[in-house]
Amino acid sequence: QLQLQESGPGLVKPSETLSLTCTVSGGSISSSSYYWGWIRQPPGKGLEYIGSFYNSGSTYYNPSLKSRVTISGDTSKNQFSLKLSSMTAADTAVYYCARSGLGTWGAYFDYWGQGTLATVSS
Amino acid sequence: QSVLTQPPSASGTPGQRVTISCSGSSSNIGISPVNWYQQLPGTAPKLLIYSSNQRPSGVPDRFSGSRSGTSASLAISGLQSEDEADYYCAAWDDSLNGHVAFGGGTKLTVL
Repeated sequence: QLQLQESGPGLVKPSETLSLTCTVSGGSISSSSYYWGWIRQPPGKGLEYIGSFYNSGSTYYNPSLKSRVTISGDTSKNQFSLKLSSMTAADTAVYYCARSGLGTWGAYFDYWGQGTLATVSS
Repeated sequence: QSVLTQPPSASGTPGQRVTISCSGSSSNIGISPVNWYQQLPGTAPKLLIYSSNQRPSGVPDRFSGSRSGTSASLAISGLQSEDEADYYCAAWDDSLNGHVAFGGGTKLTVL
C-alpha cells in the first residue's frame, strides 16, 4: 500500500523559505507512470495546486506561485521536496503531498499524505 | 478566485439526491476530464470520481459524475449523514504551460 508522509518545520518566519519533504513508501518516485505533487489548503479555505514533479525532472507549477516554487526529487531516498520562497502570512496552510498519473487524463491525485501545517510568523 | 466555479454550499435530507456543479472554461473542463475529491472534517482529501465518471475502488455507486461542454456535476443519491463533507472539483488546465485547477469547494450539509 502506497503511503506518503510530509515533514518539515511547522513555523517559518516572514520572507524566509519553506522547505518540506514528502517520503514515499510502498512505491517509487522513479516510476515512469506517476507525477508527484504538492497541494495546500489555508485554514478554513479551499485546495490550491502548487505543482508536480516527474522523475525525469519535468515539472508543472501553479502560474500564481511559479516564481517562488521549486519541486524536486531524491530517488536515493525515495523523497520529493517543496521549496517556497519569500513566505508571507498568506502562505500559512496545510501542505499535502500526493501522487497523480500522467497527462491530461491522469491528472488526478489518488494517494495523499496526511498533511502538515506550516505557519508563517515572526 | 478559483479557476473552476462551484457553489459554496449545498444541502439535502437523508435519502435525497443532491447535485454539485462545477463550471470551467475551454482550457480546462472543455478539453479535460473532471475529478472530484471528498474532504471530511480534519482529514486529507480523498479521490471520489476520476475521468469525469469513474469511481475508484471502494467508492459507493451512490456517487456519480458527469461532464458536458465546460461544466461538470457530481451527484449523490440516497444521501447519508456521513456524506456531510467538502467536495472539490479539479481538472487539468492547458493554459500557461499546464497545471491542475481546483474549484473553490462546496460544503455539503445533511439536514
